[in-house]
Amino acid sequence: EAQMLQSGGGLVQPGGSLRLSCAASGFTFINYAMTWVRQAPGKGLEWVSVISGSGGTTYYAASVKGRFTISRDNSKNTLYLQMNSLRVEDTALYYCAKGLLNYVGGGCDYWGQGALVTVSS
Amino acid sequence: QSVLTQPPSPSGTPGQRVTISCSGRSSNIGSNTVNWYQQLPGTAPKLLIYNNNQRPSGVPDRFSGSKSGTSASLAISGLQSEDEADYYCAAWDDSLNGQVFGTGTKVTVL
Repeated sequence: EAQMLQSGGGLVQPGGSLRLSCAASGFTFINYAMTWVRQAPGKGLEWVSVISGSGGTTYYAASVKGRFTISRDNSKNTLYLQMNSLRVEDTALYYCAKGLLNYVGGGCDYWGQGALVTVSS
Repeated sequence: QSVLTQPPSPSGTPGQRVTISCSGRSSNIGSNTVNWYQQLPGTAPKLLIYNNNQRPSGVPDRFSGSKSGTSASLAISGLQSEDEADYYCAAWDDSLNGQVFGTGTKVTVL
């Protein structure tokens, strides 16, 4: 069964940077798109970014475009989210999720446990 | 910001049927398939329905999905106490080039 183990969350000051990691196992990583979704405290789900299996196609939500970078290392079965110029409104629980297929527009069938990012001075 | 609109908080008694609607536009639901997620308190979301009406392995057949035009629906028949959760619809949006989620619906079992 697919599993994702997330790491890298924490407390950072506004304007700071943080990198989230998501180590995948139990499936052929390169064959699936991977997605980041976040959830602010007490709020709903917000899609952040998606990357194709090869890493050649990426998309971002308007709220993070130009500040966040999604990437993957298929040799290490690991997904990353580099977050720069962090804002207070980026405070959220960040989930990585496995796509149903190698299709950036599809749903996600397995999710990580979440990594809390808190942006505060 | 959520682009897909869901009703706030329906409730039902055990055994009842509850329906959750999801309203979008031509660029999202009207052009792409809809997925539904269930989020139990304090846990990660779980895929409940994909491709409008398909259930992943292990999801009870009490859950069903449908889509018509720019709207979609999730039905829960034979409501059970363990169904008390937040439910989100989602679809790709061709105009935004991104996934959009619904506003979320909290189902309460009385």
